[in-house]
Amino acid sequence: GQNIDQPTEMTATEGAIVQINCTYQTSGFNGLFWYQQHAGEAPTFLSYNVLDGLEEKGRFSSFLSRSKGYSYLLLKELQMKDSASYLCAVKASGTYKYIFGTGTRLKVLA
Amino acid sequence: DGGITQSPKYLFRKEGQNVTLSCEQNLNHDAMYWYRQDPGQGLRLIYYSQIVNDFQKGDIAEGYSVSREKKESFPLTVTSAQKNPTAFYLCASSPQSDRDTQYFGPGTRLTVL
Repeated sequence: GQNIDQPTEMTATEGAIVQINCTYQTSGFNGLFWYQQHAGEAPTFLSYNVLDGLEEKGRFSSFLSRSKGYSYLLLKELQMKDSASYLCAVKASGTYKYIFGTGTRLKVLA
Repeated sequence: DGGITQSPKYLFRKEGQNVTLSCEQNLNHDAMYWYRQDPGQGLRLIYYSQIVNDFQKGDIAEGYSVSREKKESFPLTVTSAQKNPTAFYLCASSPQSDRDTQYFGPGTRLTVL
């Protein structure tokens, strides 16, 4: 079967660092994506990993371990505007199909 | 500007009526997708199309239909057979490259009364 797991909700303080984990079991793997989605809006792309290791992009970093079926999104210097849902998605190999997790709702407190 | 448009933003229909949601893209992307999102949930794939005149069922295709007569357009019809159609519907597109992400339209919130 195909399954992606993320925590449902997390809370952190402004200026802090938060790590959102994602584990996956999919038939084939051709990349892992992280998206940010504010309530009532469309998801926006944050990061892409296809090889093991850390990808850094400003305040956001994403890590992948293919052997463990594990990824995390690291958000540094949290700001109030980072309050949103964060979606983990895996692209299945050989198709154009993306499989999404249920998302992690992050609340940033002042 | 290049992008994906969905209209309308909000749509209300009576139970038993079919309704068609539009999705247009001018990004020259080959692949297009329809997702459904329920409150507090992730995205569930309804249909996707890799090329004109071809489409595949996703995980929750029952009660929905699509067409792909033009590269730019991928309309979704929510039929009366869909048991619980009230949801937020997102259209997306992506180019052929594996490295590329999907680009999402603004979404249509459908409410069936």
